Amino acid sequence: SYELTQPLSVSVALGQTARITCGGNNIGIKNVHWYHQKPGQAPVLVIYRDNNRPSGIPERFSGSNSGNTATLTISRAQVGDEADYYCQVWDTNIVVFGGGTKLTVL
Amino acid sequence: EVQLVESGGGLVQPGGSLRLSCAASGFTFSQYWMHWVRQAPGKGLVWVSRINFEGSSAMYADSVKGRFTISRDNAKNMLYLQMNSLRAEDTAVYYCATLSGSDPDYWGQGTLVTVSS
Repeated sequence: SYELTQPLSVSVALGQTARITCGGNNIGIKNVHWYHQKPGQAPVLVIYRDNNRPSGIPERFSGSNSGNTATLTISRAQVGDEADYYCQVWDTNIVVFGGGTKLTVL
Repeated sequence: EVQLVESGGGLVQPGGSLRLSCAASGFTFSQYWMHWVRQAPGKGLVWVSRINFEGSSAMYADSVKGRFTISRDNAKNMLYLQMNSLRAEDTAVYYCATLSGSDPDYWGQGTLVTVSS
């Protein structure tokens, strides 16, 4: 079965750029979606199909996908960006989530 | 206002059954594939099952195959998850979601299922 690998945690200084990776075999040929989830809340889509932002998501959020790694980039990180972030793909008719990355803004 | 509201969670003994429901409103429910996603306490998101527009096709995670059944009633804008032979490892918050892979994408607030004796 297809697996997505994310770092358990990423830390970023306030106002700096955070990058969260999502590794998978040849993930570059798949559409990658990213969600963030704050404690006690449902997940929220922040990037879809590699690099598209839903309405209401700040331009500071962007995505890329190539080879075996997809990356979520958060520019000018804010305290409000602290959350768990999950990547997600489809693989042969089933949905796969990465294990999640806890983003801490210092 | 778009809403997905799950219900039916609770405490059940190992080997027992529960039926979760998800009531959709504010969007054209029949135009979305629907999914159940679960999250064990302190753990990550895990996809459980999905169903197509008409309810004629479903897929399941290996961990629930043969025990869980997803269904929908488009006339009532309802999604269901029948869970049988429940195990301790099924303990989780269960979310219904569109996982549309586009904008918009909708999630409910979840319902907690606890499997324990």
